[in-house]
Amino acid sequence: DIQMTQSPASLSASLEEIVTITCQASQDIGNWLAWYQQKPGKSPQLLIHSATSLADGIPSRFSGSRSGTQYSLKISRLQVEDTGIYYCLQRYSNPWTFGGGTKLELK
Amino acid sequence: EVQLVESGGGLVQPGRSMKLSCAASGFTFSNYGMAWVRQAPTKGLEWVATISYDGSSTYYRDSVKGRFTISRDNAKSTLYLQMNSLRSEDTATYYCTRDPDWGQGVMVTVSS
Repeated sequence: DIQMTQSPASLSASLEEIVTITCQASQDIGNWLAWYQQKPGKSPQLLIHSATSLADGIPSRFSGSRSGTQYSLKISRLQVEDTGIYYCLQRYSNPWTFGGGTKLELK
Repeated sequence: EVQLVESGGGLVQPGRSMKLSCAASGFTFSNYGMAWVRQAPTKGLEWVATISYDGSSTYYRDSVKGRFTISRDNAKSTLYLQMNSLRSEDTATYYCTRDPDWGQGVMVTVSS
């Protein structure tokens, strides 16, 4: 199975700060990587698909990048509504695997 | 507007069965593969199963193989998850999904 190691597990940042979350894949997954945001009691929301493509309706302050088997989600100017838990997901091969999640809070 | 509406959850005893449904609307259901993802209380997301657009291919995580069956009725635009021999560790909110859309989730509690 492909392991997705997500870091950090938790993060506290200030408004307008730049935030970066990473996922390290245990093997090549190409661009089969998505990022989700989940707020308490809600369904996950797709932010980024295909490693770097912004999902419809998602603010442009969110961006995704890839370097080899390391994938990053960047929030360029943190806003209040960006708090929540973020997950990466690889769909390169079965079983699909999620990262462990990053809890993002405002400082 | 795309909608995915899960139903069929609740409290069930260990070893019993339960069938979840996901009614889809707002898109051509028969064109898309679908998946079930679950989330145990206070835990992260966990992929459960995937089915191809025509139902010809299915995939499961190891812990549910042989116990769960994913299926679909394209005429009814509905996705199913038949869950047999349920265990306490299957307790979770179950989501049906076809990116970018997710249902609201349905809670399954396995307890005596």
